Amino acid sequence: DAGVIQSPRHEVTEMGQEVTLRCKPISGHDYLFWYRQTMMRGLELLIYFNNNVPIDDSGMPEDRFSAKMPNASFSTLKIQPSEPRDSAVYFCASSLSPFQETQYFGPGTRLLVL
Amino acid sequence: AQSVTQLGSHVSVSEGALVLLRCNYSSSVPPYLFWYVQYPNQGLQLLLKYTTGATLVKGINGFEAEFKKSETSFHLTKPSAHMSDAAEYFCAVRGTGFQKLVFGTGTRLLVSP
Repeated sequence: DAGVIQSPRHEVTEMGQEVTLRCKPISGHDYLFWYRQTMMRGLELLIYFNNNVPIDDSGMPEDRFSAKMPNASFSTLKIQPSEPRDSAVYFCASSLSPFQETQYFGPGTRLLVL
Repeated sequence: AQSVTQLGSHVSVSEGALVLLRCNYSSSVPPYLFWYVQYPNQGLQLLLKYTTGATLVKGINGFEAEFKKSETSFHLTKPSAHMSDAAEYFCAVRGTGFQKLVFGTGTRLLVSP
């Protein structure tokens, strides 16, 4: 299996622009997670989905952030409008089932908002 | 609420020396505990996990960890460090949502020749 795929790997944008991050989970995995990693706050869970349905979005920082999972093989995390403090590495992860528990991480998208 | 404390943001060892990375947890439910490793510019990769059963857990790359309920600890060890072990290591505990993980702040392992 190719693992979790994220695109783009790097994104540089200007403040106020819309940013869309993409994730393809491992085939057959029914849980999908979005994380943000910064030096100041470490690794934070933003939102997670089960069978394409958002289960817990309590980690989404504010209304500028939104996430969707239109089907089992694709998810997006959108920031609109972006701000410099959104600069971070965003990870997508997926897992098989509640009892499997192991989360498989993608390589991340490094976002820089100028 | 669940939480994880990793003592030491940086740990330095010489090649061939013992590696000990410390993790203490707090959990209001029976804990599931994990160690993940992150190499530069990569995502996190599972090293090992404890869910139930044997308290000494063996993982990949020669790492192991022991769950000690009385000490609320899950320290990661490796008898002999390799240069390739240089990375950042994260301890995590199952969160309140069954699938949620709560991560520690990470420990960067530096290995010198």
